Amino acid sequence: GEDVEQSLFLSVREGDSSVINCTYTDSSSTYLYWYKQEPGAGLQLLTYIFSNMDMKQDQRLTVLLNKKDKHLSLRIADTQTGDSAIYFCAESTGNTGKLIFGQGTTLQVKP
Amino acid sequence: GAVVSQHPSRVICKSGTSVKIECRSLDFQATTMFWYRQFPKKSLMLMATSNEGSKATYEQGVEKDKFLINHASLTLSTLTVTSAHPEDSSFYICSARDNGRFNEKLFFGSGTQLSVL
Repeated sequence: GEDVEQSLFLSVREGDSSVINCTYTDSSSTYLYWYKQEPGAGLQLLTYIFSNMDMKQDQRLTVLLNKKDKHLSLRIADTQTGDSAIYFCAESTGNTGKLIFGQGTTLQVKP
Repeated sequence: GAVVSQHPSRVICKSGTSVKIECRSLDFQATTMFWYRQFPKKSLMLMATSNEGSKATYEQGVEKDKFLINHASLTLSTLTVTSAHPEDSSFYICSARDNGRFNEKLFFGSGTQLSVL
């Protein structure tokens, strides 16, 4: 079945770049997403990429997609303490709108 | 951007009571909404797909009589946890899919923390 895997924890220093990685198994994924969740809150859509794209940049965020290896990454440039949160990658297939989420990566930003 | 409102944000109830959670799309119509459950420090588990005007589609292992879903309009879906027990304590999050131009995006509510005593 479909599966999405992420590393559980990443710690960086303020001002450094953060790279959060994600792998997925379903080759028919249409869109891949990155969501941010702060404690006790819902999910905030950060960015998403269509499966026929390799890269998408949006201000401090860069998404890279390697479809051959089924690998997705999110790079946050100039990481700030306010970026500390859990980051989820998710994939959707077909046109159902259903998302399969990874376990989430906790990003800790040290001053 | 599109906004999804979820209410209440936090509820504490006694074992055996029922709790209703509302999910509203505020500035778009949503034929389809989704209900997820999240355990502490865990990922989101899709519980069911809520379809406007028809029955919800439940994921395997989710009791439909326990988690009642009603999607009576294009902007409102409700999840009722019936006869709640402590093991139902969890964070419940809804999401909605815009029928219009943001069709590929899912927007999430802020979640409901349910605590059953």
